[in-house]
Amino acid sequence: LAKTTQPISMDSYEGQEVNITCSHNNIATNDYITWYQQFPSQGPRFIIQGYKTKVTNEVASLFIPADRKSSTLSLPRVSLSDTAVYYCLVGDRGSGNTGKLIFGQGTTLQVKP
Amino acid sequence: NAGVMQNPRHLVRRRGQEARLRCSPMKGHSHVYWYRQLPEEGLKFMVYLQKENIIDESGMPKERFSAEFPKEGPSILRIQQVVRGDSAAYFCASSPAGTWDSPLHFGNGTRLTVT
Repeated sequence: LAKTTQPISMDSYEGQEVNITCSHNNIATNDYITWYQQFPSQGPRFIIQGYKTKVTNEVASLFIPADRKSSTLSLPRVSLSDTAVYYCLVGDRGSGNTGKLIFGQGTTLQVKP
Repeated sequence: NAGVMQNPRHLVRRRGQEARLRCSPMKGHSHVYWYRQLPEEGLKFMVYLQKENIIDESGMPKERFSAEFPKEGPSILRIQQVVRGDSAAYFCASSPAGTWDSPLHFGNGTRLTVT
């Protein structure tokens, strides 16, 4: 599974757009990019998954450039409740893969009033 | 439409005792994963099970730890002769299929404290 690198922490203010970038220089052709969110004392929660270009859902957008060596999770107009740890993961979506996720340290996002 | 249920939520054990952590996956999910999170650290994969089978236990310590997912009932993570270093949050996750297009649904964990 490709290794990922993301900032340890980020600060933002309510109402701002937050972009968290993840580097995955060794991403393989079959790898997908997935983001999870974890609040204190809770288990991680799936946010979004993508392979290339842009993916958007009701929670976030995921931007992936053509070379796929990085990706950016975009959270529009954050609120205090978006304060959490955000994990970027990459892995193979092909058959035979166990779906096992390897978590890094994540990015701790602190949203201030 | 209950999510992944873990119990107990908090568990205190003295050194040398046994800890049993239970996980009931979401309805329709036959794939279960266990993760451990030490204080101020990320989640570490321990074991992946399907009904009655251990598929991948590469993250599980060789001694004192075992896991099962019987045909009936919850998945159990068992830690024998606990030591202080076992104090952590243990998360269970489930999915309907063990592939990347099947996001994992996590429970809220069992916090084990060894005194």
